[in-house]
Amino acid sequence: QVQLVQSGAEMKKPGSSVKISCKASGGTFNTFSLNWVRQAPGQGLEWMGGVITVFRGTSYSEKFQGRVSTTTDESTSTAYMELHSLRSDDTAVYFCVGGARNQYFDYWGQGTLVTVSS
Amino acid sequence: IVMTQSPATLYVSPGERATLSCRASQSISSNLAWYQQKPGQAPRLLIFGASTRATGIPARFSGSGSGTEFTLSISSLQSEDFATYYCQQYNNWREVTFGGGTKVEF
Repeated sequence: QVQLVQSGAEMKKPGSSVKISCKASGGTFNTFSLNWVRQAPGQGLEWMGGVITVFRGTSYSEKFQGRVSTTTDESTSTAYMELHSLRSDDTAVYFCVGGARNQYFDYWGQGTLVTVSS
Repeated sequence: IVMTQSPATLYVSPGERATLSCRASQSISSNLAWYQQKPGQAPRLLIFGASTRATGIPARFSGSGSGTEFTLSISSLQSEDFATYYCQQYNNWREVTFGGGTKVEF
Protein backbone atom coordinates (compact mmCIF):
# COMPACT_ATOMS: atom_id res chain seq x y z
CA GLN A 1 0.00 0.00 0.00
CA VAL A 2 1.54 3.26 -1.16
CA GLN A 3 1.44 6.19 1.25
CA LEU A 4 2.16 9.69 0.03
CA VAL A 5 3.69 12.15 2.50
CA GLN A 6 3.90 15.78 1.47
CA SER A 7 6.02 18.68 2.65
CA GLY A 8 4.68 21.28 5.04
CA ALA A 9 2.68 24.46 4.62
CA GLU A 10 4.17 27.36 2.72
CA MET A 11 3.62 31.12 2.76
CA LYS A 12 4.66 32.91 -0.40
CA LYS A 13 4.65 36.40 -1.88
CA PRO A 14 2.88 37.13 -5.17
CA GLY A 15 5.19 36.56 -8.12
CA SER A 16 7.34 34.01 -6.34
CA SER A 17 7.47 30.23 -6.79
CA VAL A 18 6.69 27.29 -4.55
CA LYS A 19 8.03 23.76 -4.69
CA ILE A 20 6.19 20.96 -2.91
CA SER A 21 7.52 17.48 -2.34
CA CYS A 22 5.67 14.18 -2.15
CA LYS A 23 7.44 11.09 -0.84
CA ALA A 24 6.11 7.59 -1.34
CA SER A 25 6.50 5.42 1.71
CA GLY A 26 5.62 1.77 1.96
CA GLY A 27 6.88 1.26 -1.57
CA THR A 28 8.29 3.05 -4.52
CA PHE A 29 6.34 4.97 -7.13
CA ASN A 30 5.03 1.65 -8.35
CA THR A 31 1.91 3.33 -9.65
CA PHE A 32 0.32 3.98 -13.01
CA SER A 33 0.44 7.73 -12.51
CA LEU A 34 1.43 10.48 -10.13
CA ASN A 35 -0.57 13.70 -10.35
CA TRP A 36 -1.20 16.98 -8.58
CA VAL A 37 -4.66 18.23 -7.61
CA ARG A 38 -5.45 21.44 -5.80
CA GLN A 39 -8.39 22.76 -3.79
CA ALA A 40 -8.92 26.44 -3.11
CA PRO A 41 -10.63 27.33 0.20
CA GLY A 42 -14.25 26.22 0.10
CA GLN A 43 -13.95 25.13 -3.52
CA GLY A 44 -13.81 21.88 -5.48
CA LEU A 45 -10.98 19.75 -6.78
CA GLU A 46 -8.86 20.89 -9.71
CA TRP A 47 -6.42 18.65 -11.60
CA MET A 48 -3.16 20.41 -12.42
CA GLY A 49 -1.18 17.76 -14.19
CA GLY A 50 0.98 14.74 -13.71
CA VAL A 51 2.99 11.91 -15.14
CA ILE A 52 1.85 8.59 -16.49
CA THR A 53 4.76 6.67 -15.00
CA VAL A 54 4.42 3.62 -17.24
CA PHE A 55 4.91 5.84 -20.29
CA ARG A 56 7.06 8.47 -18.58
CA GLY A 57 4.78 11.00 -20.23
CA THR A 58 3.87 14.26 -18.50
CA SER A 59 0.80 16.36 -19.18
CA TYR A 60 -0.57 19.53 -17.62
CA SER A 61 -3.93 21.21 -17.55
CA GLU A 62 -4.11 24.03 -20.08
CA LYS A 63 -4.83 26.38 -17.19
CA PHE A 64 -1.39 25.76 -15.68
CA GLN A 65 0.61 25.11 -18.84
CA GLY A 66 3.85 27.10 -18.71
CA ARG A 67 3.53 27.87 -15.01
CA VAL A 68 3.85 24.40 -13.47
CA SER A 69 6.51 21.75 -13.63
CA THR A 70 6.71 18.30 -12.07
CA THR A 71 9.73 16.10 -11.53
CA THR A 72 10.38 12.74 -9.95
CA ASP A 73 13.47 11.47 -8.12
CA GLU A 74 13.06 7.73 -8.34
CA SER A 75 16.12 7.12 -6.16
CA THR A 76 14.28 8.66 -3.19
CA SER A 77 10.71 7.93 -4.34
CA THR A 78 9.98 11.64 -4.18
CA ALA A 79 7.97 13.74 -6.59
CA TYR A 80 8.03 17.51 -6.79
CA MET A 81 5.63 20.10 -8.12
CA GLU A 82 6.78 23.66 -8.71
CA LEU A 83 4.33 26.47 -9.43
CA HIS A 84 5.69 29.78 -10.66
CA SER A 85 4.42 33.36 -10.81
CA LEU A 86 2.18 32.84 -7.81
CA ARG A 87 -0.99 34.90 -7.43
CA SER A 88 -3.36 35.28 -4.53
CA ASP A 89 -5.82 32.92 -6.21
CA ASP A 90 -3.20 30.17 -6.08
CA THR A 91 -3.90 29.97 -2.35
CA ALA A 92 -5.05 26.39 -1.95
CA VAL A 93 -4.33 22.97 -0.56
CA TYR A 94 -2.22 21.01 -3.01
CA PHE A 95 -2.48 17.21 -3.07
CA CYS A 96 -0.23 14.69 -4.72
CA VAL A 97 -2.30 11.77 -5.88
CA GLY A 98 -1.47 8.39 -7.35
CA GLY A 99 -3.36 6.13 -9.66
CA ALA A 100 -2.59 2.46 -9.14
CA ARG A 101 -3.90 1.20 -12.47
CA ASN A 102 -5.40 4.16 -14.29
CA GLN A 103 -5.96 7.90 -14.04
CA TYR A 104 -8.33 7.63 -11.09
CA PHE A 105 -6.70 8.23 -7.77
CA ASP A 106 -6.33 5.48 -5.20
CA TYR A 107 -3.69 7.28 -3.17
CA TRP A 108 -3.77 10.80 -1.77
CA GLY A 109 -1.16 12.77 0.13
CA GLN A 110 -2.26 14.67 3.21
CA GLY A 111 -2.21 17.96 1.33
CA THR A 112 0.03 21.02 1.54
CA LEU A 113 -1.48 24.44 2.20
CA VAL A 114 0.08 27.18 0.12
CA THR A 115 -0.89 30.72 1.08
CA VAL A 116 -0.03 33.52 -1.32
CA SER A 117 -0.21 36.94 0.24
CA SER A 118 1.73 40.17 0.20
CA ILE B 1 -14.54 17.53 -20.89
CA VAL B 2 -16.79 19.41 -18.46
CA MET B 3 -18.28 17.44 -15.59
CA THR B 4 -21.49 18.80 -14.05
CA GLN B 5 -22.81 17.49 -10.74
CA SER B 6 -26.27 17.96 -9.35
CA PRO B 7 -27.61 18.98 -7.00
CA ALA B 8 -25.00 21.19 -5.38
CA THR B 9 -26.46 20.32 -1.97
CA LEU B 10 -28.58 17.30 -1.15
CA TYR B 11 -30.57 17.21 2.06
CA VAL B 12 -31.11 13.68 3.32
CA SER B 13 -32.04 12.12 6.64
CA PRO B 14 -30.10 9.20 8.13
CA GLY B 15 -31.43 5.90 6.83
CA GLU B 16 -32.74 7.45 3.63
CA ARG B 17 -31.44 6.82 0.12
CA ALA B 18 -29.28 9.45 -1.53
CA THR B 19 -28.93 9.77 -5.29
CA LEU B 20 -26.24 12.02 -6.77
CA SER B 21 -25.88 12.83 -10.46
CA CYS B 22 -22.90 13.57 -12.67
CA ARG B 23 -23.06 14.51 -16.34
CA ALA B 24 -20.20 14.65 -18.83
CA SER B 25 -20.16 17.12 -21.71
CA GLN B 26 -19.21 14.29 -24.06
CA SER B 27 -19.10 10.53 -23.86
CA ILE B 28 -16.53 9.13 -21.45
CA SER B 29 -17.60 5.49 -21.72
CA SER B 30 -17.31 4.10 -18.16
CA ASN B 31 -14.17 6.05 -17.27
CA LEU B 32 -15.66 7.72 -14.22
CA ALA B 33 -14.65 7.73 -10.56
CA TRP B 34 -16.41 8.98 -7.43
CA TYR B 35 -14.70 10.36 -4.32
CA GLN B 36 -15.88 11.25 -0.84
CA GLN B 37 -14.33 14.16 1.04
CA LYS B 38 -14.92 15.15 4.65
CA PRO B 39 -13.85 18.55 6.04
CA GLY B 40 -10.13 18.81 6.62
CA GLN B 41 -9.40 15.47 4.96
CA ALA B 42 -8.11 14.33 1.61
CA PRO B 43 -10.70 12.78 -0.70
CA ARG B 44 -11.18 9.02 -0.68
CA LEU B 45 -11.80 6.89 -3.76
CA LEU B 46 -15.22 5.23 -3.63
CA ILE B 47 -15.98 4.01 -7.14
CA PHE B 48 -14.03 3.56 -10.37
CA GLY B 49 -15.06 2.29 -13.78
CA ALA B 50 -18.43 3.95 -13.05
CA SER B 51 -19.64 1.01 -10.94
CA THR B 52 -16.75 -0.84 -9.24
CA ARG B 53 -16.34 -0.19 -5.54
CA ALA B 54 -12.81 0.51 -4.35
CA THR B 55 -11.26 -1.68 -1.67
CA GLY B 56 -13.01 -1.38 1.68
CA ILE B 57 -15.97 0.66 0.45
CA PRO B 58 -19.29 -0.49 1.96
CA ALA B 59 -21.87 -2.10 -0.28
CA ARG B 60 -24.37 0.69 0.42
CA PHE B 61 -22.40 2.76 -2.10
CA SER B 62 -23.17 1.95 -5.72
CA GLY B 63 -22.42 3.61 -9.02
CA SER B 64 -24.11 3.32 -12.38
CA GLY B 65 -24.18 4.87 -15.82
CA SER B 66 -22.10 5.12 -18.95
CA GLY B 67 -21.55 7.57 -21.76
CA THR B 68 -22.57 10.94 -20.35
CA GLU B 69 -24.93 10.21 -17.44
CA PHE B 70 -23.79 8.74 -14.12
CA THR B 71 -25.27 8.20 -10.69
CA LEU B 72 -23.87 7.54 -7.24
CA SER B 73 -26.37 6.01 -4.84
CA ILE B 74 -26.07 5.56 -1.10
CA SER B 75 -28.74 3.07 -0.13
CA SER B 76 -29.21 3.91 3.55
CA LEU B 77 -27.34 6.97 4.66
CA GLN B 78 -25.20 6.60 7.76
CA SER B 79 -23.96 9.50 9.88
CA GLU B 80 -20.44 9.07 8.51
CA ASP B 81 -21.70 9.51 4.94
CA PHE B 82 -22.44 13.21 5.34
CA ALA B 83 -19.70 14.67 3.20
CA THR B 84 -18.99 16.17 -0.21
CA TYR B 85 -18.85 13.87 -3.21
CA TYR B 86 -16.96 14.49 -6.44
CA CYS B 87 -17.05 12.73 -9.77
CA GLN B 88 -13.99 12.63 -12.03
CA GLN B 89 -13.58 11.56 -15.63
CA TYR B 90 -10.39 9.89 -16.80
CA ASN B 91 -11.39 9.03 -20.34
CA ASN B 92 -8.70 11.42 -21.49
CA TRP B 93 -5.63 10.62 -19.41
CA ARG B 94 -4.01 13.87 -20.43
CA GLU B 95 -6.87 16.10 -19.29
CA VAL B 96 -8.55 14.72 -16.21
CA THR B 97 -11.48 16.76 -14.90
CA PHE B 98 -13.60 16.81 -11.74
CA GLY B 99 -17.18 17.81 -11.20
CA GLY B 100 -18.00 20.68 -8.88
CA GLY B 101 -19.16 18.43 -6.06
CA THR B 102 -22.38 17.58 -4.22
CA LYS B 103 -22.56 18.21 -0.50
CA VAL B 104 -24.77 15.73 1.33
CA GLU B 105 -26.26 17.33 4.42
CA PHE B 106 -28.78 16.35 7.05
